[in-house]
Amino acid sequence: DSGVTQTPKHLITATGQRVTLRCSPRSGDLSVYWYQQSLDQGLQFLIQYYNGEERAKGNILERFSAQQFPDLHSELNLSSLELGDSALYFCASSTSNRNYGYTFGSGTRLTVV
Amino acid sequence: AQRVTQPEKLLSVFKGAPVELKCNYSYSGSPELFWYVQYSRQRLQLLLRHISRESIKGFTADLNKGETSFHLKKPFAQEEDSAMYYCALSGSGGYQKVTFGTGTKLQVIP
Repeated sequence: DSGVTQTPKHLITATGQRVTLRCSPRSGDLSVYWYQQSLDQGLQFLIQYYNGEERAKGNILERFSAQQFPDLHSELNLSSLELGDSALYFCASSTSNRNYGYTFGSGTRLTVV
Repeated sequence: AQRVTQPEKLLSVFKGAPVELKCNYSYSGSPELFWYVQYSRQRLQLLLRHISRESIKGFTADLNKGETSFHLKKPFAQEEDSAMYYCALSGSGGYQKVTFGTGTKLQVIP
């Protein structure tokens, strides 16, 4: 599959814990974007990386961090988890730093209990 | 600040009826507008971009800068069109974040 791959698909963890979500972009795509989708807030932009460098930041909490590695995969780290962090986390990739449309992953559903 | 408004959470239409999914935006520069679709149990996928002036699966959308709108239209709804539709906006420069609307669920009644 040459599309965007996200792992794990589902994650259940307790409050106060830390988790890492992983994203492999579509082959050839240099840009990776992270979005949070909760029931009442729609898709919220978190952060963008382009070829390993952070390029744009949205409403990302200080408890959250991300990075893009030399092989272009990206990880989103969520720490000191709270119940309100329960959401779908989507990764998307695109061919360049310009927006010609994203290819989305299937998302990671995080449940904090 | 950039903002995308989709006023309808749910739109129900009968098969064969025309469809219009509304999208209004707020942006001070020159925007790029998109429609994304998410079918049941599938990932979000790009439906069309205003810059391409294309028609995908019978859907079209025209950017109206005067009314700051980018409504999605289809003359005859099909059952397979039932899905969540998201309008999205970004600036036209590099490294622009994309802002999504809250989505409209289209339900086509047989």
